[in-house]
Amino acid sequence: EIVLTQSPATLSLSPGERATLSCRASQSIRNSLAWYQQKPGQTPRLLIYDASNRATGIPARFSGSGSGTDFTLTISSLEPEDFAVYYCHQRTNWLYTFGQGTKLEI
Amino acid sequence: EVQLVQSGPEVKKPGESLRISCKGSGYNFNNYWIAWVRQMPGKGLEWMGFIYARDSDTKYSPSFQGQVSISIDKSINTAYLQWSSLKASDTAMYYCARHVVGPTIGLDYWGQGTLVIASS
Repeated sequence: EIVLTQSPATLSLSPGERATLSCRASQSIRNSLAWYQQKPGQTPRLLIYDASNRATGIPARFSGSGSGTDFTLTISSLEPEDFAVYYCHQRTNWLYTFGQGTKLEI
Repeated sequence: EVQLVQSGPEVKKPGESLRISCKGSGYNFNNYWIAWVRQMPGKGLEWMGFIYARDSDTKYSPSFQGQVSISIDKSINTAYLQWSSLKASDTAMYYCARHVVGPTIGLDYWGQGTLVIASS
């Protein structure tokens, strides 16, 4: 089973700053990676699919990059509503796993 | 409008059976896989498995194989997650979600979640 390791576990930033979240796979997953945002008491929301494609309705300040084993979610300028937990999610054949999450806090 | 509407919260005793549901609307149900995701209290997301609505092809995470059963009734656009004997450790929020079409990855629409509490 492929393990996704997210870092850091917690990221403390201020509105207007740039956020860089990392997700590392235990073996190559090509570009089969998605990112989700989850706010307290809410369902997860798809941000990025196939490593770098923004999902419908996602603001341009969110971007994804990477391939193989190292991936990054970047939020160019944090808005107050961006403080949440972020998960990466991989697919290899029919086996899927999530990372443990990064909490982005003010 | 695409919607996935899940059944309501459940409180059960360990050892009891349970089936929760997820009804899709606003899209061609047959063309998509429906996934189930567990979130234990205060914890992260866990992939359980998914099912293709058209032919009921089902894939389970090794961690959940044999522990739960995923099924579908495409005549009523509804997917199910079932336990034959609940454990206290099954206490969690369970989400269904629609998998994007194609050789890609992404769960683009989510149900509101069903809280399952298994406690004596």
